[in-house]
Amino acid sequence: QKEVEQNSGPLSVPEGAIASLNCTYSDRVSQSFFWYRQYSGKSPELIMSIYSNGDKEDGRFTAQLNKASQYVSLLIRDSQPSDSATYLCAVNPLKGGSEKLVFGKGTKLTVNP
Amino acid sequence: GAGVSQTPSNKVTEKGKYVELRCDPISGHTALYWYRQSLGQGPEFLIYFQGTGAADDSGLPNDRFFAVRPEGSVSTLKIQRTERGDSAVYLCASRLTGTGRGQPQHFGDGTRLSIL
Repeated sequence: QKEVEQNSGPLSVPEGAIASLNCTYSDRVSQSFFWYRQYSGKSPELIMSIYSNGDKEDGRFTAQLNKASQYVSLLIRDSQPSDSATYLCAVNPLKGGSEKLVFGKGTKLTVNP
Repeated sequence: GAGVSQTPSNKVTEKGKYVELRCDPISGHTALYWYRQSLGQGPEFLIYFQGTGAADDSGLPNDRFFAVRPEGSVSTLKIQRTERGDSAVYLCASRLTGTGRGQPQHFGDGTRLSIL
C-alpha cells in the first residue's frame, strides 16, 4: 500500500459546482496534513493545512480530516475555471523526527465554464 | 525576492556529466528540503537540512546524489555521472521552524533537469 493515495482523476466539474478531492494515508501516527495546488509547469502552492479531526474552512476551500479512518479531503465550493490544476495531498509521517512530506500522485481537476 | 529561489530553471546535459542545482531559501527559514518530481507523479523526498546538517537523507536514491548547505542558507544538490532516469523537476522547499507545529513548506519553481 502506498503511503499516501489519491484518485488520479481526472475530475471534471462544471463551473459553480463543488469539487471533492480525497486522500488516504497509511501511517496512523501522522499529525500534519496539507493540500497543495500545482498548475501545469509550476511549483506546488499551499492551499490548506489541517492538524485536528474535523473541518477547517478558508474561503471557498474546506479541508476535512478523519484520523480514525486515515482520510483527508478537500472541498472546493463554487468552483472556478482558475481552480483547474492538480491537487496534491501531503502528509508528514513523523518517522524518525524528519519533517519530510510524503505526497500522493495528485488529482487533476478541470472546471468547465 | 521573498520566495524560494532555484537556479538554473532548466538544465540540459549529456548522460555521464556532473550537475549542480542551487536553492536559495526564504530568509530566516532554517529547514530546507529537496524533492524530485517526475511527470505525472507527486514530489518525492530526497533530503532534509536543519541548519547546516543533513537531518534526513533517506530519500537520496544512490551515492551519485549529494547535497550540501555549508552556511545554513543556500543549498546545492549535486548529481554525479548523470543517467537518463535522473531527468525530472528538482524542487526545493524551505520552512520556518521553532514557531509551532506543522509550519508549511514553501516551494521554489524548480529546476527542470533533462539528461540526453
